[in-house]
Parts: sequence; structure tokens; C-alpha cells
Amino acid sequence: GNSVTQMEGPVTLSEEAFLTINCTYTATGYPSLFWYVQYPGEGLQLLLKATKADDKGSNKGFEATYRKETTSFHLEKGSVQVSDSAVYFCALSVGQGAQKLVFGQGTRLTINP
Amino acid sequence: EAGVTQSPTHLIKTRGQQVTLRCSPISGHTSVYWYQQALGLGLQFLLWYDEGEERNRGNFPPRFSGRQFPNYSSELNVNALELEDSALYLCASSLYLGGTEAFFGQGTRLTVV
Repeated sequence: GNSVTQMEGPVTLSEEAFLTINCTYTATGYPSLFWYVQYPGEGLQLLLKATKADDKGSNKGFEATYRKETTSFHLEKGSVQVSDSAVYFCALSVGQGAQKLVFGQGTRLTINP
Repeated sequence: EAGVTQSPTHLIKTRGQQVTLRCSPISGHTSVYWYQQALGLGLQFLLWYDEGEERNRGNFPPRFSGRQFPNYSSELNVNALELEDSALYLCASSLYLGGTEAFFGQGTRLTVV
């Protein structure tokens, strides 16, 4: 079956630190990969996505590269800010429709000033 | 443009009671999805409605049900509430049948005591 595994949190960093949140997946077929972010008290927002191998998704300084050989989609940011504090979800989709989304457990990130 | 709106934001119910959660999709979106985000369990797909029809269902018992109205808004009903139904229930909508990018609401926090 399809599944997503992401690094357990919580993760606490200082402002301007480098961020990596690991995500690996298992999927039948050719999945699209996503990172969603959930800020306190809010719903999920799509942060970035990649639809095929070697694609790089990027948004708001965050990047993730679809690595088929390692079945990974790690999230990175070179210099985090306090406003990046949130819960981050890695997800995959095989086939169309949000009903096909499979989410990881989420990683809570806290950035201290 | 208004996003996906859910009501109520919080509610507390007693075990055995019934509850109805409501969702209004983004204008023009015909697909509505429901997810359960229980503590420590990540996001689990519940139901998908499009054009008034139930299109897909996740691995949940029949006491979880819903419907979609002609204006594309949706209700999620949970009967015979159990303690483990305590969770954040998220609604999402997408532009057309099975569109890959879904937009999430802020969720309804249900506590069953």
C-alpha cells in the first residue's frame, strides 16, 4: 500500500538555522508528492509539490526534490524564521483527487528568536 | 475570495450523542472532502463528495456519513459518538471532479466526553 514516513518531532531550532525535515514514501505507481503546512489554529495549506522524479518544488524559501531512487522528498530551508513555526505534513497522491492523498504523521517545528 | 469555511469551530459532545459538522467550499468548487485528524494519527481520509454524490469513502464505520447539497456545501454526520471520535475534522474543496489541489478549511475541533 501507499504510505509516508516523516521524521518525528518536535523540532526546535533557532532563527536563521538550516532546516531539514525528512520524508520517505512507499507507493504503487508514480505518486505526486506534497508538503502541507498547518499554522496554529488554521487548516492545511499547500506549501509545495512535485509531480515527477527529479522535480524540485519551492515556495517561501522552502524546497524539496522528488528523489525516486531513494523514495524521498525532504523539506529544506536555508534560514528559518519565527513565523515558520508550524506543523509540516508530507503527503503523496497516486491518481487524481484529494481523496487519494496519504499524509505522514506531521512534524511540529518551533523556531526560537 | 472566501476560503473553505467550517462550522462550528469547536464543540463538546457526550458519548452516544450525534453531531453534524458543516462545510462551505470555495465558490466554484464542486468537490468536497472530509478528513479526520486525530491526535497522534495524522490525517485520515473520510469522505469525498462531488456534484451531490458520494464518490469515495475511507475506512470508517457507517456511523460516519454525510451529504452534499445543491450549492455544494456539505455536512458530516457522526452517530453514536465514541471517545475516540475526538479529533479535528477538516474539510477541503477542489475545483472540479477529483482535482489534485485541494484547499482546506480551519477545521472543527470535536471533543467527546
